[in-house]
Amino acid sequence: ETGVTQTPRHLVMGMTNKKSLKCEQHLGHNAMYWYKQSAKKPLELMFVYSLEERVENNSVPSRFSPECPNSSHLFLHLHTLQPEDSALYLCASSQDRGGEKLFFGSGTQLSVL
Amino acid sequence: SQKIEQNSEALNIQEGKTATLTCNYTNYSPAYLQWYRQDPGRGPVFLLLIRENEKEKRKERLKVTFDTTLKQSLFHITASQPADSATYLCALRGYQKVTFGIGTKLQVIP
Repeated sequence: ETGVTQTPRHLVMGMTNKKSLKCEQHLGHNAMYWYKQSAKKPLELMFVYSLEERVENNSVPSRFSPECPNSSHLFLHLHTLQPEDSALYLCASSQDRGGEKLFFGSGTQLSVL
Repeated sequence: SQKIEQNSEALNIQEGKTATLTCNYTNYSPAYLQWYRQDPGRGPVFLLLIRENEKEKRKERLKVTFDTTLKQSLFHITASQPADSATYLCALRGYQKVTFGIGTKLQVIP
């Protein structure tokens, strides 16, 4: 186990649904991240939180809405997604926001129908 | 534009041989470079980090080199085993964020 837990592992949703992805880290880290991994593409950084404050938003569509209520929990709220949003969504944490030694969860495999 | 290149085609090697994976980059001056391992359907797992002022780093059967003149890192697995079969990602710390390469899939054949 990496110390980063993501739920659910798999999610199928329609384009009109609203769902949330959850991430929890037990490592005492100060930074948390959401990454998107599509087939045959590199990991794409979506959001970065440092000490519960959003410090980076890489031009992500507003249908993805992150929330970081405390330094151990991170959510990604999804609504009115498109089929091209189907991907593996990965949460990660690191000691600080520099991105050294990222610890990843197992990811949520999302399918949008 | 900034680019990270890894051989996205699979690399097949015989068990017991040394696997060498390459990460080339352009238009970066990375403060450090990292290597991760990713198994299918799982998140990447951190393996090694090497800083810009370091030439080489070792951990058990793993060795990483970093040549900032050539803008290249090599990742070696010695005495490879079938359990080493996975996709290996390099990641660069550029300006303000870490960017990943697409990864190289390694298959170690018994």
